[in-house]
Amino acid sequence: EADIYQTPRYLVIGTGKKITLECSQTMGHDKMYWYQQDPGMELHLIHYSYGVNSTEKGDLSSESTVSRIRTEHFPLTLESARPSHTSQYLCASSEYNGGRGRQAFFGQGTRLTVV
Amino acid sequence: GQQLNQSPQSMFIQEGEDVSMNCTSSSIFNTWLWYKQDPGEGPVLLIALYKAGELTSNGRLTAQFGITRKDSFLNISASIPSDVGIYFCAGQLQTGANSKLTFGKGITLSVRP
Repeated sequence: EADIYQTPRYLVIGTGKKITLECSQTMGHDKMYWYQQDPGMELHLIHYSYGVNSTEKGDLSSESTVSRIRTEHFPLTLESARPSHTSQYLCASSEYNGGRGRQAFFGQGTRLTVV
Repeated sequence: GQQLNQSPQSMFIQEGEDVSMNCTSSSIFNTWLWYKQDPGEGPVLLIALYKAGELTSNGRLTAQFGITRKDSFLNISASIPSDVGIYFCAGQLQTGANSKLTFGKGITLSVRP
């Protein structure tokens, strides 16, 4: 059973507001990820981190930012939310599994709606 | 970059039927993973495959790592309504600590009762 938690599950917020989506994992995984997904569509990697103080941009450009001050915590921030940011945001984590590479474990997601 | 192809985008089957999905790539992968995403939830790992030709089962699900290393297959037998969801394949070329997971676009499965 994966132990990765995202809060809030649902968020409706007005344009221009600053928001932070929380993600925490209790598995001690080194690598963490943020994916953006429109309903029923593919997963787009927007940020990832190899460990504390490491953050990298993913394949899809995003106006969001991330930080990794603690191993277990990988919050995502939008400084000024816009309707185009409306989407589902999925957090994931993984650990290196020897010669088998990595398996990602996902949180339940945050469904963000910007009005 | 590496891409995984899953098609069709949607599949509609009758309850009780078997269904097969495949995932193909122009590149070789050394690990294949299959995930299922229930509506409104995050993807959950179903099966992991690590060796060419490997066949692994998880209940009514069976997945195979293609011999060419460029494809993988997922079969669901005797489908039930709770099989509804999006099925993603994922592959890794490298198996080191910096290995990158590449996801397919997913196949949405609908099961008619």
